[in-house]
Amino acid sequence: AQRVTQPEKLLSVFKGAPVELKCNYSYSGSPELFWYVQYSRQRLQLLLRHISRESIKGFTADLNKGETSFHLKKPFAQEEDSAMYYCALGRNNNDMRFGAGTRLTVKP
Amino acid sequence: DVKVTQSSRYLVKRTGEKVFLECVQDMDHENMFWYRQDPGLGLRLIYFSYDVKMKEKGDIPEGYSVSREKKERFSLILESASTNQTSMYLCASSLPRRAGELFFGEGSRLTVL
Repeated sequence: AQRVTQPEKLLSVFKGAPVELKCNYSYSGSPELFWYVQYSRQRLQLLLRHISRESIKGFTADLNKGETSFHLKKPFAQEEDSAMYYCALGRNNNDMRFGAGTRLTVKP
Repeated sequence: DVKVTQSSRYLVKRTGEKVFLECVQDMDHENMFWYRQDPGLGLRLIYFSYDVKMKEKGDIPEGYSVSREKKERFSLILESASTNQTSMYLCASSLPRRAGELFFGEGSRLTVL
């Protein structure tokens, strides 16, 4: 069975500090991993996907198949990064399963 | 821009009532999804659909059904609402060739009394 685990429900950092949101997955096939973000009073939206190997808003995420992890990182957090972050696993390139989410608060 | 519209932002229903949640997307997406979003549990997939009149169960289909008569519309039905179905319901759509890129609606917050 596929599963996405985000061990931290809440994460709080100060502005300018590095931030890492953890995501672990279990899946027997070839995974497609994504990070979604939901800012206050906004829709849930795609932040980045592992296959693109891109940096969005300063965030990066590397797929580590050995550790079955896809942690989201940013070297210097900003207050506007405060949001709910969800890690997601795509199966057969169609249906998507999400983790429980991590609420990130960046303090001034 | 892709627009996914959920017709009701807030609903209050009584136990045993039949509830319809409607979702419409305007970008000709084949895939459509219904999730419920609960604090501490994240998003859980209820049902999804790859095409008109096709549906697949997600992880928590019990107590729900869906209807997809037209490509742009995907309805979630609670045949007999119960208090444990009080939640935020999110609809999403995607293209098969970009299936990981889900476009979400604003959500429908349902309270069952």
